[in-house]
Amino acid sequence: DQQVKQNSPSLSVQEGRISILNCDYTNSMFDYFLWYKKYPAEGPTFLISISSIKDKNEDGRFTVFLNKSAKHLSLHIVPSQPGDSAVYFCAATSYTGNQFYFGTGTSLTVIP
Amino acid sequence: EPEVTQTPSHQVTQMGQEVILRCVPISNHLYFYWYRQILGQKVEFLVSFYNNEISEKSEIFDDQFSVERPDGSNFTLKIRSTKLEDSAMYFCASNRPIHYNEQFFGPGTRLTVL
Repeated sequence: DQQVKQNSPSLSVQEGRISILNCDYTNSMFDYFLWYKKYPAEGPTFLISISSIKDKNEDGRFTVFLNKSAKHLSLHIVPSQPGDSAVYFCAATSYTGNQFYFGTGTSLTVIP
Repeated sequence: EPEVTQTPSHQVTQMGQEVILRCVPISNHLYFYWYRQILGQKVEFLVSFYNNEISEKSEIFDDQFSVERPDGSNFTLKIRSTKLEDSAMYFCASNRPIHYNEQFFGPGTRLTVL
């Protein structure tokens, strides 16, 4: 039962351009969403989050958009840098529990 | 900057053997978690732990698994009788006692069951 889905396993973007990573969820009880970045041989690292009371949250080059009606969120990275190359996971949780549900990840490659 | 640490980084064991994976969460964190990631698959929740007891667990976390906080710093995951399909990266995570706070992950332990 995959409650959080990332349908693009990989994405390649030119340095300086925008990277858009997408995530869909099925559970309407989710009300908090996070993006994690993972390098090989390391644990996931928190990147940015958004609560369901917002539709946008921005932190430097990273912006997360939430469309509750579509049960869809996206992460925008502008401008993309080679150091952004990693696997990006979206995760979701609900106020009633502390279990985080992760997507399968999208491998981003930023080409210099 | 404080971080979650895990030992060992790689554990190789024979099928049927017991393994204990160790984690030291960040010192002022009160919620602790174990996740696993089978190669090429998503990160899967195993269990959460708060106030010295399991608060939530997934279907994966069956009777072969147990967690313990034996002292004030360590958080362990025990697999009693390992199976081939237990081979995965196991990540420990912790967060402060504010529900919506992000979890901090350790670097993971790669478990290989032969």
